[in-house]
Amino acid sequence: NAGVTQTPKFRILKIGQSMTLQCTQDMNHNYMYWYRQDPGMGLKLIYYSVGAGITDKGEVPNGYNVSRSTTEDFPLRLELAAPSQTSVYFCASSWAANNSPLHFGNGTRLTVT
Amino acid sequence: SQELEQSPQSLIVQEGKNLTINCTSSKTLYGLYWYKQKYGEGLIFLMMLQKGGEEKSHEKITAKLDEKKQQSSLHITASQPSHAGIYLCGAQFGNEKLTFGTGTRLTIIP
Repeated sequence: NAGVTQTPKFRILKIGQSMTLQCTQDMNHNYMYWYRQDPGMGLKLIYYSVGAGITDKGEVPNGYNVSRSTTEDFPLRLELAAPSQTSVYFCASSWAANNSPLHFGNGTRLTVT
Repeated sequence: SQELEQSPQSLIVQEGKNLTINCTSSKTLYGLYWYKQKYGEGLIFLMMLQKGGEEKSHEKITAKLDEKKQQSSLHITASQPSHAGIYLCGAQFGNEKLTFGTGTRLTIIP
């Protein structure tokens, strides 16, 4: 059982470049999330989805876009990379919105220079 | 402002000693989760607490939620090198999405 899989594990981007962080889960979870983790700052929610075709903004959505065409996949798109987007990105999924633990991927470490 | 405060921010403990990590909120918690993170890896779910006064244990780790549901503690008994990592608490306030604390970095020394 793979759980939540993120690719790539590492990436270096130049300012202004774009990229897509991939996330897929095989647990048939309806709820999926993207977080970023900055040193000493905990995790901040970027976007989330309650099911295929439905997405919504989290706490720090600026500079990012998401789509949810299937239950399994929830890619995160960076259109014009900026140094402020240097971070570790985590994708997660859960059965329900409440009282349901999140299952996390292993993260993507992104550096923008 | 940070809705969840974790303390201490870092902790260095000799192997075999006990330790406690705290997670405090000014609001009532509707669900409290403890996660562990090792460098370069994702977050591993440890325990979920929902009821005031609830206590759960897994191996040598015990988590408690106080009666007022505003503070949780994570206690490790007889610490081992495998306990090293970053511990994060996450909480839900009503129907809002999960909010995380800033984490406690635990180092175990021989």
